[in-house]
Amino acid sequence: GDSVTQMEGPVTLSEEAFLTINCTYTATGYPSLFWYVQYPGEGLQLLLKATKADDKGSNKGFEATYRKETTSFHLEKGSVQVSDSAVYFCALSGSNFGNEKLTFGTGTRLTIIP
Amino acid sequence: GAVVSQHPSWVICKSGTSVKIECRSLDFQATTMFWYRQFPKQSLMLMATSNEGSKATYEQGVEKDKFLINHASLTLSTLTVTSAHPEDSSFYICSAPAPGETQYFGPGTRLLVL
Repeated sequence: GDSVTQMEGPVTLSEEAFLTINCTYTATGYPSLFWYVQYPGEGLQLLLKATKADDKGSNKGFEATYRKETTSFHLEKGSVQVSDSAVYFCALSGSNFGNEKLTFGTGTRLTIIP
Repeated sequence: GAVVSQHPSWVICKSGTSVKIECRSLDFQATTMFWYRQFPKQSLMLMATSNEGSKATYEQGVEKDKFLINHASLTLSTLTVTSAHPEDSSFYICSAPAPGETQYFGPGTRLLVL
């Protein structure tokens, strides 16, 4: 079945550091890929998505590129802020919108130190 | 964006009792809702898909009689954990896809069975 393997945390960085959170997947067909973020005390929110190979999703300074050849969707940000502290989940779905069943990675807790 | 609420956010109960968790889409109608379970330091695992006006679809390994799901209206789905035991203690999260959009997640319900 489908699966998502995500970089284990926790990850602690200083403000303005470069961030990479690795995510690889196994799936049949051509899934859509997502990054969700969960801020303390809140529900998961869609951060960005990519629906086909070589697509780049971006939002709030975060980027991730759908790499079919390496089955990866790594999350990057050039300069992190304290407000980026949260738990990040990589996920895949058979739907472009992610409105069908989602398969999640284990989540990576990110803490940014001022 | 759209809002999904869950109630209660926290519940503690005695072993053998039943607990009901509500999931509401506050500003959109959802014919489908999803129920996830999250163990500490683990991924969100889909338990079942709740369908308005029909039976829920359970994932393999999830006990239908243990986790009763009722999707009574287009804005409300409930998950009842029947005869709860300590191993049912977990974080339960619901989500609802807005029409033509991504899934919106509730903030989760933490269940502790003593």
